[in-house]
Amino acid sequence: EVQLVESGGGLVQPGGSLRLSCAASGFTFSNYWMSWVRQAPGKGPECVANIKEDGSQTYYVDSVKGRFIISRDNAKNSLYLQMNSLRAEDTALYYCGRAGLGVWGQGTTVTVSS
Amino acid sequence: DVVMTQSPLSLPVTVGQPASISCRSSQGLVHSDGNTYFNWLQQRPGQSPRRLIYKVSNRDSGVPDRFSGSGSGTDFTLKISRVEAEDVGVYYCMQGTHWPHTFGQGTKLEIK
Repeated sequence: EVQLVESGGGLVQPGGSLRLSCAASGFTFSNYWMSWVRQAPGKGPECVANIKEDGSQTYYVDSVKGRFIISRDNAKNSLYLQMNSLRAEDTALYYCGRAGLGVWGQGTTVTVSS
Repeated sequence: DVVMTQSPLSLPVTVGQPASISCRSSQGLVHSDGNTYFNWLQQRPGQSPRRLIYKVSNRDSGVPDRFSGSGSGTDFTLKISRVEAEDVGVYYCMQGTHWPHTFGQGTKLEIK
């Protein structure tokens, strides 16, 4: 069964950091672009970052450039999102997704609040 | 960024009746590789989004054939031939051609 399982979310103060992880199974992880997508409460999804199969190319939405870093470890079938300098507007449910968003995880909640 | 504009935003439908959602993009969505990376997604209450249609008109595995996608250029449509109670939720169009990939505002389908 193709599966993505996110973890690492939580409550953090403004300016703090969090590292999200996504464990992939049921498919050849190293063959796919991967994405982080977030959804703020009551809002639509927003693509935050993308990474190429071998990690050689990454893309970020402007609102997170310079603060978030997407990475992957193909040996561990894992995707990561290092989030620094967090702001209240980063509060959302964060999903990892396989290329084209044909596969989604269940999400992990990030809350930025003092 | 490419703006995706959906209509209607609210769609009350009687079970067994057809439904249609439109999506317009602010730019053409043909990629340099010749593909049009346009998807439709469904988000049922309390669930993760689920892709229904990819590259304009291809149904994902397990998606009932009452769902169909069409369109080209900047105008796209999702049709449900006969709405069922399980179709309740929010439907999003999404483009994956230009970065950042962007979504429409969502269309909330409810049963009358």
